[in-house]
Parts: sequence; C-alpha cells; structure tokens
Amino acid sequence: DVKVTQSSRYLVKRTGEKVFLECVQDMDHENMFWYRQDPGLGLRLIYFSYDVKMKEKGDIPEGYSVSREKKERFSLILESASTNQTSMYLCASSFSDRLGAGELFFGEGSRLTVL
Amino acid sequence: QQQVKQSPQSLIVQKGGISIINCAYENTAFDYFPWYQQFPGKGPALLIAIRPDVSEKKEGRFTISFNKSAKQFSLHIMDSQPGDSATYFCAASRRGQNFVFGPGTRLSVLP
Repeated sequence: DVKVTQSSRYLVKRTGEKVFLECVQDMDHENMFWYRQDPGLGLRLIYFSYDVKMKEKGDIPEGYSVSREKKERFSLILESASTNQTSMYLCASSFSDRLGAGELFFGEGSRLTVL
Repeated sequence: QQQVKQSPQSLIVQKGGISIINCAYENTAFDYFPWYQQFPGKGPALLIAIRPDVSEKKEGRFTISFNKSAKQFSLHIMDSQPGDSATYFCAASRRGQNFVFGPGTRLSVLP
C-alpha cells in the first residue's frame, strides 16, 4: 500500500514563528503536492513538484515556500506564520501514467493552529 | 475557468436510498474527473474516476455520470449505507496536473 506520512498531526504555533510541515511518501512517486483544506472551500493547491529540486506555485502560494531535496520528501514552510494560515494541510503524491493523470494519494493531514 | 462547482453542500439520505452529488466545470481542457471520499480525521482517498471519452462508469454501488456537452458530472451512490457517511469531493485535472477540487459535500446516511 502507498503510504504518505505527514510528520505532525497537530501543531500550535504563535504568529511570526517559522513552521515546517514534512511529508514523506514510500512509493517512488514523481509528483508531490501540498493542499490546504478549509470548510466550504475544498482543497486548494499551495505548491507542487514534479521532480527533485523542482517546484511550481499552485493557486495560493503566498506566505508559503517548499523544498524537495529528495524524491520521497516534500516540505512545506511557513516563513512567518499568521492567524489566517490556521488550517488543515494535506500532502499528496502521485505517479504519472501514459495519460498523464495519476491517482492522488493523501496523507492524513496536519492541523495547524496559529495563535 | 479553473473552478469546479459542487452541490449540494450537505446531504442527508436514509439507509438504502440513492445519494446524488453534482459537479460542474468550465475548463474544456480537463481530461480526468475523480471523486474523493474523506472520513473524519483521514485524508481523502480516491473513490472512482472517469475520463471524458465515456458517459458512465460504475464500480459497485458507485456510479459516475458524465455529460461532456453540459460540462457536468455526478456521483450516484446506490443503496446508501451509514458507512458511506463522509465528505465527498469532485475534482478535475488536465493530464494529472494541478487538480482542481470542488468545495465538498458532507453526506450523512441515517440508519
């Protein structure tokens, strides 16, 4: 079974703190994604990566950065956390098949509260 | 153009009934339409998916109906069970890139 592991299920941080959210997948997937989930808004893409050291902005990248130094690991960084970044963060990975589309495999999420 | 609309926001169905969730999209470049199911405290998981070259796909009690001309697709859950109670997200993507998700539907199936 594919496993996507997010390092922290629950975090509480203070405004201005630097926050690291780590994600590791064990299926050698090329693609990795960070989504933010808020009630009534669905899942919104923050950043994604199709290869090591490669990153692309999603729909809401402001206030976030990412790092992918190894194929299996994709980190989301909040340089200076703000209260409006209180949310559920979901990491996902996928392979690329011949049609391009691949199933997204999600981690269980990291719920971040910024005070 | 990137938006995927989803309705209803919440749905209550009696056990054994049919649950229907509808989605609509604008971008005709989308070529992959999955549905994800999310239980509380868990990440979403793929339930069923369709490509626009077919109008319907069925897997057990779950069916996707796809209307390319109307740019709409829907999820039908036949014989709904309490264990189906979850949040359902429709999504769309082009060649597996940049999935766009609907806002979700919270389904409650009453015993």
